[in-house]
Amino acid sequence: DTGVSQNPRHKITKRGQNVTFRCDPISEHNRLYWYRQTLGQGPEFLTYFQNEAQLEKSRLLSDRFSAERPKGSFSTLEIQRTEQGDSAMYLCASSAWAKVFTDTQYFGPGTRLTVL
Amino acid sequence: AQTVTQSQPEMSVQEAETVTLSCTYDTSESDYYLFWYKQPPSRQMILVIRQEAYKQQNATENRFSVNFQKAAKSFSLKISDSQLGDAAMYFCAFLTQGGSEKLVFGKGTKLTVNP
Repeated sequence: DTGVSQNPRHKITKRGQNVTFRCDPISEHNRLYWYRQTLGQGPEFLTYFQNEAQLEKSRLLSDRFSAERPKGSFSTLEIQRTEQGDSAMYLCASSAWAKVFTDTQYFGPGTRLTVL
Repeated sequence: AQTVTQSQPEMSVQEAETVTLSCTYDTSESDYYLFWYKQPPSRQMILVIRQEAYKQQNATENRFSVNFQKAAKSFSLKISDSQLGDAAMYFCAFLTQGGSEKLVFGKGTKLTVNP
C-alpha cells in the first residue's frame, strides 16, 4: 500500500492557461475525493467519485473545472482558462466505502497551483 | 448545512506538556463521524483520531485523546507529553454517514511546540 499520490506537486501557470492534475488513490479504494485548500483555511469539498461515477459536485466547481475517473482508478482534475483565484492547494483523498461502514479518507500530498 | 468551528487560530505548548485544541460543530444529524487531522508544514494531511457519534466512549490513540460531548456538539483534542514532531496545523472535520460522506473542515489550529 503506497498511499495516495498526486502529480505534479507544484504547478505554476499563467492566467488563461489550462492545467491538469492527477491523483492515484490507494489501490482498491472505490471512493475518490477532490478538495481545495486556500491559505489559512481548511480544505473544501469539490467533487467525488464512486468507482468511475462522479456522484456530487460542489457549487465551488465552476464550469471551468472538470474531473474524470476513467475505469475507476486514477482521477484527473482539469482547470480551463485559469484565474488568479484558482491559486490553491488541490487535495485528493480516497476511501474504501461500503454501505455499512464509513472508512477514513486518506489524503495525498496535494498539488499546489499558482496562477500568475 | 454542517459547520465546524475551531476558535483557536494558534496554540503553543512546552515540550512534554499537555495541550487541548477546541472544536465545536453544528448539525441536525444523529449519525456522524468526527476526525482530527494533522497537517505538518509542506507535508500531507494525516489522520490523528476518529470518533463515531454513536459511541459514548472517547477515542484514544497513544498520546492523543478526545473529549466528545455530543449534546454540547463539542469535540476537543488533547495531546499529552507533547513532542516537537507534534507541531502542525490541526483540523477538526465532520462527516455525515450516508450520501457523499464528504468531510467538512474547520479553519484549523496552528500548534507550536516549544523546546
